[in-house]
Formats: sequence, C-alpha cells, structure tokens
Amino acid sequence: EIVLTQSPTTMAASPGEKVTLTCRASSSVSYMYWYQQKSGTSPKLWIHDTSKVASGVPNRFSGSGSGTSYSLTISSMETEDTATYYCQQGRSYPPTFGGGTKLELK
Amino acid sequence: EVHLVESGGGLVQPGRSLKLSCAASGFTFSNYDMAWVRQAPTKGLEWVASISPSGGSTYYRDSVKGRFTVSRDNAKSTLYLQVDSLRSEDTATYYCARHPEFGILYFDYWGQGVMVTVSS
Repeated sequence: EIVLTQSPTTMAASPGEKVTLTCRASSSVSYMYWYQQKSGTSPKLWIHDTSKVASGVPNRFSGSGSGTSYSLTISSMETEDTATYYCQQGRSYPPTFGGGTKLELK
Repeated sequence: EVHLVESGGGLVQPGRSLKLSCAASGFTFSNYDMAWVRQAPTKGLEWVASISPSGGSTYYRDSVKGRFTVSRDNAKSTLYLQVDSLRSEDTATYYCARHPEFGILYFDYWGQGVMVTVSS
C-alpha cells in the first residue's frame, strides 16, 4: 500500500498570500489527485492528473509534481479557500489518501 | 447534473449489519466504476470498496474483506454496500463516489454521505 504524507498538517495564510501544500508518496506514482473538503460537507475533486484543475475551480489553484513529490499551490489566498485538502494516489488498488492539510485564514 | 444520494445509515450494535444504498442520477450509471469511501469522525478519508460497471469485479480494503459486500443494480441506478459484523472502528460517514473512467482510481463526484455509528 502506498502511504501519502501531507505537510503541513495545519497552516494559516493571510489573504493574498501564496500557499503551497505538499504530498509525498512512499513509492513513485504517475499522477496525484487533490480534493477540497469544507467543514460538514463532502469532498470535491479539486485537481486531477497532477496538474489539471477540475471544472469550476478558480485558476489561482495549480498542481505540480512527479515521482514521490507533489504539491498544490494557491497563488493568492482568498477567504473561501479555507478548507482541508487531501491528496490521493490511484496507481493501483488500494487507492490511498494523505492525512490532509487544514488551511485556515490568518 | 450528477447526483449521488446515500441512505441506510444509523446507529447499530457491534456485530450487527446494515445495508447502505446510493441512488445515482444525471449520468449513465451502468458505464461507470463506483466506490465507497468513508471518513471516521474528525479523521481523514479512507477508500473502502469499488465495483466495475457490470458488477463482475469488486475490490475491498483489507480491513473490510469478508465483512463488507459492494453490489449494484444498474436497472435501478443504485449502488449498495452490505456491511456485516460491524465493529466500533467502522463508525464513519460513508460516501458514495464515482470513478471518472473504467479502471481510473480517483473520484470525480461524491454524495453527501451517510453516517454509520457502531455502538452498544
């Protein structure tokens, strides 16, 4: 099973600040997927195939990475971006998730 | 518009059973792999099971093998999860989710979730 480690676990960012969330895999994967989950709601696909932003996601979000190291970047933090972000690998069964990064507003 | 609506959750004693359902609409259900993903209170996401479009192939995480059974009724556009021999560690919100393509292991749409609480 591929283990995903996200860092930081929690962070706070000011409006307008650039934010980078990281996800490291215990083995190399071809793609990484990211989900946004706001408190009390179901997760939403946010980024797929490492760098493709899902439909409706603001273009201030981007994804990058390869091998065992991936990241999600917000170019300019906005209030509505406060949420928990999970990475997920789908190289093979079982698909696994990282522990999440909770992003708060400073 | 894709909609996934789960039902069937509740409070159940350890060792008992439940059957969760997920009613799908807004897409051709029989063309897609489907999955169940759970989230224990205040915890992260955990994939539970997936099923192929025909139902002929099923996949489970190790901790639920032999206790959970995923199935589907394509005529009713409904996904099921039979959960038997429940344990306290199965307490979670269970989400129904769609795989975007056959054999692609991520989830493009999620339901609102249904809570399962295992307690005596």
